[in-house]
Amino acid sequence: GAVVSQHPSWVICKSGTSVKIECRSLDFQATTMFWYRQFPKQSLMLMATSNEGSKATYEQGVEKDKFLINHASLTLSTLTVTSAHPEDSSFYICSARGTTGRGEKLFFGSGTQLSVL
Amino acid sequence: DAKTTQPPSMDCAEGRAANLPCNHSTISGNEYVYWYRQIHSQGPQYIIHGLKNNETNEMASLIITEDRKSSTLILPHATLRDTAVYYCIAATGANSKLTFGKGITLSVRP
Repeated sequence: GAVVSQHPSWVICKSGTSVKIECRSLDFQATTMFWYRQFPKQSLMLMATSNEGSKATYEQGVEKDKFLINHASLTLSTLTVTSAHPEDSSFYICSARGTTGRGEKLFFGSGTQLSVL
Repeated sequence: DAKTTQPPSMDCAEGRAANLPCNHSTISGNEYVYWYRQIHSQGPQYIIHGLKNNETNEMASLIITEDRKSSTLILPHATLRDTAVYYCIAATGANSKLTFGKGITLSVRP
């Protein structure tokens, strides 16, 4: 089946630094990827839709200058948390649309736990 | 996308069938019912999806009522590894973004 690889799985950084998270579709091409954020004991919240070769579409309330998304190829999207602060500590998850078996579905990466000190 | 409603939690005994209900009374004709699950600290895992016919795969069965206002995910023989949060989502297809609700926490007891 389709596999989405997300890296790193966890990262600890100092306040004020930037962190880049990669999301790769390993055996399929993904023109669209989605980035989610999840706080402890809460559900996933969609942050943005990443489109290959064009600007990402951000959900209301998500700062596009803080969460930079680049989708430069059909297999790679990156999320950069700029000038991270402790309140940005969260579980970040990407997903990509792939085709396998019955039609298309979204596959998810394993997530990245970000801790900002 | 239509809103879905799920009980907050349920449990079942290992080896027994787990029946997870979901209400989606405002679902539109072109919206599918998707089920994903999330084991602690991992990304969601696709389980199954359907439009109006019942579906079965190696993981589960999906039973959709004739009026499509509700559905049930069935794990035929639950194991301890099936303990997770299960999300029922109504969406027009993989082209659309998936909006996650609170899901239902399934606890499988030995």
